[in-house]
Amino acid sequence: DAGITQSPRHKVTETGTPVTLRCHQTENHRYMYWYRQDPGHGLRLIHYSYGVKDTDKGEVSDGYSVSRSKTEDFLLTLESATSSQTSVYFCAISDFPGQGNTEAFFGQGTRLTVV
Amino acid sequence: ELKVEQNPLFLSMQEGKNYTIYCNYSTTSDRLYWYRQDPGKSLESLFVLLSNGAVKQEGRLMASLDTKARLSTLHITAAVHDLSATYFCAVDRTGNQFYFGTGTSLTVIP
Repeated sequence: DAGITQSPRHKVTETGTPVTLRCHQTENHRYMYWYRQDPGHGLRLIHYSYGVKDTDKGEVSDGYSVSRSKTEDFLLTLESATSSQTSVYFCAISDFPGQGNTEAFFGQGTRLTVV
Repeated sequence: ELKVEQNPLFLSMQEGKNYTIYCNYSTTSDRLYWYRQDPGKSLESLFVLLSNGAVKQEGRLMASLDTKARLSTLHITAAVHDLSATYFCAVDRTGNQFYFGTGTSLTVIP
């Protein structure tokens, strides 16, 4: 298994509070991604990073911010959590997407509930 | 906007039967990925299809890619209960973003 650790694995938080999810990798892969998974929507890309301090938005980035200060860590922050952000969040990594036989590898997921 | 559509969304099939899951995508891409997800678990990579006409097989699963039709298929042969899971296809856009279909939930009935 790819060395990807997400923390926390489960979290319940109140509306309006800030929340930070962490993704840590030991594979030294360049690309890191945050997805959310919701019934009927599959996985949707929130943000991704292509290097330290290099990030870009995905298709559902509103209400989320990210940071990557080290190759191995990619943080996802909900500045003010809303009930619509209740979801399962997956981190993924990839070395050279679009080149050769390189797919994305996924972490175990974080189940976030906003009450 | 890139769209990736899978059908069917839900599939219930008897053991021993064959079936095909379809994945259509809306933009040019030479790469397509298939993943499996068990309930409450992460996604596991099954196949990476890199070019038009690519075909890969693993056990009872076979995946193919037709880039001109923007279509990939995942064929299940002689289904067994252990294949019950949700299957996702994904397309990479611009070589650095993976866009996923909505998934096909497969239940194999004894």
